[in-house]
Amino acid sequence: AQKVTQAQTEISVVEKEDVTLDCVYETRDTTYYLFWYKQPPSGELVFLIRRNSFDEQNEISGRYSWNFQKSTSSFNFTITASQVVDSAVYFCALSEFMDSNYQLIWGAGTKLIIKP
Amino acid sequence: EAGVVQSPRYKIIEKKQPVAFWCNPISGHNTLYWYLQNLGQGPELLIRYENEEAVDDSQLPKDRFSAERLKGVDSTLKIQPAELGDSAVYLCASSGGTGIGTDTQYFGPGTRLTVL
Repeated sequence: AQKVTQAQTEISVVEKEDVTLDCVYETRDTTYYLFWYKQPPSGELVFLIRRNSFDEQNEISGRYSWNFQKSTSSFNFTITASQVVDSAVYFCALSEFMDSNYQLIWGAGTKLIIKP
Repeated sequence: EAGVVQSPRYKIIEKKQPVAFWCNPISGHNTLYWYLQNLGQGPELLIRYENEEAVDDSQLPKDRFSAERLKGVDSTLKIQPAELGDSAVYLCASSGGTGIGTDTQYFGPGTRLTVL
């Protein structure tokens, strides 16, 4: 069963538009961690945010904001006033205890295209 | 502070040839990960080290893949012999903290392998 679902395969918007990337996860754990990473065309995965399951406060960092809702098992990511440099593949990931280890379960990624 | 370093960035080999990838983690990070990433997909864990011990190698195809982290710092991932299906990006990541798998992982730029 898929643990992390990023239903949007690709999103294309015009620069300066706001865009939200969805992430829905599935877990039986009460303690878990959620992450977002950005992978620009250069290929390097860049860490954006880490949240634990007990901290449901939304977070804002510049033009980026994250909405964590345990009730709907979602951890959505919004970019405000998008810029061309935001074009990348964005991955959501869940750290869960499985088979005697914590494992990072990755979504399939959402490709974001920002047009000038 | 330097990030995770990987070399080479690109490698093209003929099938059945051996290939090796090198990774130097962020200074002070005890946990090191090797991932494989196919085009359009999220990373897949191959092996995780805590210091020099491989604590999770359940996803490593041991018939042709091997890895080592002899002094608990840098690491080498080897494929021998390479097959066409091994063409992918090989990512190295490291994390500090407790090493229980919930720490933030920081990634290197990856090695793009093409097997002809």
